[in-house]
Amino acid sequence: GDSVTQMEGPVTLSEEAFLTINCTYTATGYPSLFWYVQYPGEGLQLLLKATKADDKGSNKGFEATYRKETTSFHLEKGSVQVSDSAVYFCAFGYNFNKFYFGSGTKLNVKP
Amino acid sequence: DVKVTQSSRYLVKRTGEKVFLECVQDMDHENMFWYRQDPGLGLRLIYFSYDVKMKEKGDIPEGYSVSREKKERFSLILESASTNQTSMYLCASSSLDATYEQYFGPGTRLTVT
Repeated sequence: GDSVTQMEGPVTLSEEAFLTINCTYTATGYPSLFWYVQYPGEGLQLLLKATKADDKGSNKGFEATYRKETTSFHLEKGSVQVSDSAVYFCAFGYNFNKFYFGSGTKLNVKP
Repeated sequence: DVKVTQSSRYLVKRTGEKVFLECVQDMDHENMFWYRQDPGLGLRLIYFSYDVKMKEKGDIPEGYSVSREKKERFSLILESASTNQTSMYLCASSSLDATYEQYFGPGTRLTVT
């Protein structure tokens, strides 16, 4: 069935370190892919998206590339900041009622 | 920018009370959703609606009902609140375009005592 698998957290990094959060998906349709971010006590915000194979989504220094052959959408950032500390959710959707979230990865960035 | 608002950020209710959580979106989106978020369980879909007066059960509808009388407003109702409904409740909306992305409100943290 449809599902999203993302790396378990928490992930703890020092400021300016490189970040990778892995995400793979299993979808019966041809999905759009998303990364959402949730800051403490808040709702989810769309961070970036990609709608077709080989598309790269980017925002605020974060990037992810739609890899259809490996069914992956890994999130990367070259230099994290303390303000990036949050929970990151990978998600995909291929119909309005077919939308799936990963379990979330908590990122802690230390000064 | 899409804006999804929820009536309360924090709510404390007693066991057995009837609870209404309101969600309003301002982008004329057709689809609206209610999720609950619990530590270790991620986001779980309670109900969604794809049109006025239309609703579909999600993964965990037991103990909840919904109402959508106007396109912009989607209400979640706890008929008789119980302590196991203490949670963060998130509302979302999406349009009918092919990207399917969902836009979220700030959430309501409900505590049932």
